Amino acid sequence: AQSVTQLGSHVSVSEGALVLLRCNYSSSVPPYLFWYVQYPNQGLQLLLKYTSAATLVKGINGFEAEFKKSETSFHLTKPSAHMSDAAEYFCAVSDNFGNEKLTFGTGTRLTIIP
Amino acid sequence: ETGVTQSPTHLIKTRGQQVTLRCSSQSGHNTVSWYQQALGQGPQFIFQYYREEENGRGNFPPRFSGLQFPNYSSELNVNALELDDSALYLCASSQDANTEAFFGQGTRLTVV
Repeated sequence: AQSVTQLGSHVSVSEGALVLLRCNYSSSVPPYLFWYVQYPNQGLQLLLKYTSAATLVKGINGFEAEFKKSETSFHLTKPSAHMSDAAEYFCAVSDNFGNEKLTFGTGTRLTIIP
Repeated sequence: ETGVTQSPTHLIKTRGQQVTLRCSSQSGHNTVSWYQQALGQGPQFIFQYYREEENGRGNFPPRFSGLQFPNYSSELNVNALELDDSALYLCASSQDANTEAFFGQGTRLTVV
């Protein structure tokens, strides 16, 4: 069974600082990995996805993630945090090219300190 | 805005009752997936419908059932509601079973 583990349920960073949200996966097959963002009272929005084409994946809003097979990790980063980045972030895994039937982590709430 | 609309946005039901949640998929999308997101948790896959047929199911009891219509809109039905069914229910539609899914804003169900 596939799963993802998000380390840190809450992360706080200062505006302008590096954002690093951690995700480790467990999968018996080559995984497809995703990061979603959820703003309060909203649905989920896809930030980026890894489908084996390239290990460094660039997404929307300046976010990127690097797939590291040796570490079974897919951490999300952004060089400079903005106040509008405050939200809940979810890592997810699928055994399918598409992103249906996703298995999500428990989420990381990102707070930006002015 | 994704074009996926869910109704109602909020709902309060009593334990033991039945509830129907609705999802209108984005134009041109033939696949709908449903997820349950309990408070403080990540979404959990309930089931998916592709061209009106169930195409995969998560670890949910049979009292969770669904339907997809010829226009590809979908319903999620839950019978014999339990307190633990209180959650945000998310619908996601995609153009095909293997393409990017777009999520609606969800229906928040409270069971009292």
